[in-house]
Amino acid sequence: AQKVTQAQTEISVVEKEDVTLDCVYETRDTTYYLFWYKQPPSGELVFLIRRNSFDEQNEISGRYSWNFQKSTSSFNFTITASQVVDSAVYFCALTGSGYSTLTFGKGTMLLVSP
Amino acid sequence: EPEVTQTPSHQVTQMGQEVILRCVPISNHLYFYWYRQILGQKVEFLVSFYNNEISEKSEIFDDQFSVERPDGSNFTLKIRSTKLEDSAMYFCASRETGTNYGYTFGSGTRLTVV
Repeated sequence: AQKVTQAQTEISVVEKEDVTLDCVYETRDTTYYLFWYKQPPSGELVFLIRRNSFDEQNEISGRYSWNFQKSTSSFNFTITASQVVDSAVYFCALTGSGYSTLTFGKGTMLLVSP
Repeated sequence: EPEVTQTPSHQVTQMGQEVILRCVPISNHLYFYWYRQILGQKVEFLVSFYNNEISEKSEIFDDQFSVERPDGSNFTLKIRSTKLEDSAMYFCASRETGTNYGYTFGSGTRLTVV
């Protein structure tokens, strides 16, 4: 069975602070894929990143960066210089080698205040 | 950019009524999914559909639910005899064949059962 744990339920920061959202996963598959999605107050799910288990390189996209560590089964997401528009719920998700269903974590609500 | 379209965006229905949620996946995608998110909770897998049949379903997806691809473009989720606890956001998603592609989610249909 697969499991995704996002231990942080809610994080509040002030604009321009850096913030890291944690994601820990469990899977028996040797090949798997990890995702991050953003859910703004409007409710839609916005794709941020996909990572496969063979690629442990960290990735940076603008103010966003992701740290994938297989040794600790973690796929953490950092927002640098946070902005009010970053306020949303962020979900980490996992799918296995069959690339079928996504297992989501419970999400972390990020509140960025001015 | 291609997108998954869901209609309606919000539906209110009386308990016991049947509802049909509609989705138009991206045209060259072959895998289709329905997920559910009860307010404030995580996104949960309901069912996946490939080659005109259900490929996987969760324990949530019982006889109350059914899916159909009535023509070449639509993908529907029918909920019979709705209950109060069916109130949730329902997301449709689709993806291409292979593991080089992510899942594209629609904007969701918020179902409210009264």
